[in-house]
This record gives sequence, structure tokens and C-alpha cells, in this order.
Amino acid sequence: AQTVTQSQPEMSVQEAETVTLSCTYDTSESDYYLFWYKQPPSRQMILVIRQEAYKQQNATENRFSVNFQKAAKSFSLKISDSQLGDAAMYFCAYRSRSNAGNMLTFGGGTRLMVKP
Amino acid sequence: DGGITQSPKYLFRKEGQNVTLSCEQNLNHDAMYWYRQDPGQGLRLIYYSQIVNDFQKGDIAEGYSVSREKKESFPLTVTSAQKNPTAFYLCASSRGKFTGNTIYFGEGSWLTVV
Repeated sequence: AQTVTQSQPEMSVQEAETVTLSCTYDTSESDYYLFWYKQPPSRQMILVIRQEAYKQQNATENRFSVNFQKAAKSFSLKISDSQLGDAAMYFCAYRSRSNAGNMLTFGGGTRLMVKP
Repeated sequence: DGGITQSPKYLFRKEGQNVTLSCEQNLNHDAMYWYRQDPGQGLRLIYYSQIVNDFQKGDIAEGYSVSREKKESFPLTVTSAQKNPTAFYLCASSRGKFTGNTIYFGEGSWLTVV
């Protein structure tokens, strides 16, 4: 079974600064998908960014980018020019490419606080 | 607007009662999921369904039941056998069986046992 670990329960960043959230995962598969979801106080899960394991290029979405290190099984999220609205819980998630793995496996989350 | 609608937003259950959480989607998605989230923790999969009239147990299915009679609906029943049901429940959906499809979430339902 796959596991996802987020080792930072809480992080804080000054507004307009950059912060990196860590995620590691354990799998025996070679092809899979990785995601970062944001959960604001409203509790709705919002997709931030996704990465296909077969792609070497790191995914980027505006101020959000990832550092995907497949050999190290590491998938960190970098938030540039942090904004107050970025304050939320962030979850890293894994999804197998095999037909049986149709669901997401989540890490325990990192609470990001943004200081004005 | 297309999306996933969960109801009720807040639900209180007495000991020994069964309750049903509703999940409806108008995204024409084939796959639907139920996750449970406990305070300060990540999401854990309860049940999922890839097609109408078929569903599979997730990691924590004990004490829960589901049905998938229509493509757009995937209700979750929390039975009296679930010993600690107080939690936040999230319904989700995605297109087809292709596992690269992004999973989208509803706004969730809070269940509290009183």
C-alpha cells in the first residue's frame, strides 16, 4: 500500500515571501500521479497542482510550483509571493495509475499561516 | 453551475440511529467517492464507485453503507455500527476509470453524535 507523509504540521510565512511545503511518499509503482490540495477554513478541498510521474518537468501553476524528485520519492510545493488568502491546510496526495488505484491517498496535512 | 452538492451541511445523530448523507453531482462523472476527515488529520477513503450499481470498500468501510442507483447520486449511510462517527465527510467525483482524471470535492458535511 502507498503512504504519504507530510513532516511539517505547521508552517508560517511572511506575506510576499516564499515558502516550501514538504511531502514524501512510499510506493513500489513506477507510474502514478501526485497532487497538492488546499483546504481553507470553509473546508472545501481545492486542487492546487498535479504532477504526472512520467513527466520529468516540474508542474507550475501561477505562484505555485513543485519540486518532484522521483528517485527520492519527494514532492514539495513552493508558494511564491505568498498572499493572505494562501493561509489554509495543504494536503499532498498520491494516486496510482493502475486500474485498481482509482482513489487518492492523502498525507496528514500542513497548516500554513501567512503573516501580514 | 456544475458541481458536487452535499447535504445537509450539519447533521446531529443520536446514539443508535442511522443517518444518510446526500451527494449529488451534475458533472456527468462516472466515479464517485466518500472520504472521512477527523480534526487535524488527512482524508481517509470510506467507499468508492466507478460505475452505476457497483461500489468498492475503501480503507475504513466498517459501519458505513452506500448505494449507486443513479450516475449522479452516491448517498452514504452511517449506521449504528460505526462507533465513532463524529467527523467531517467529503464526497468527491471524477471522470471515467482513467486514474489521471482529477478528483473534485463537494463542500462537505459535518456529522456530530449527541
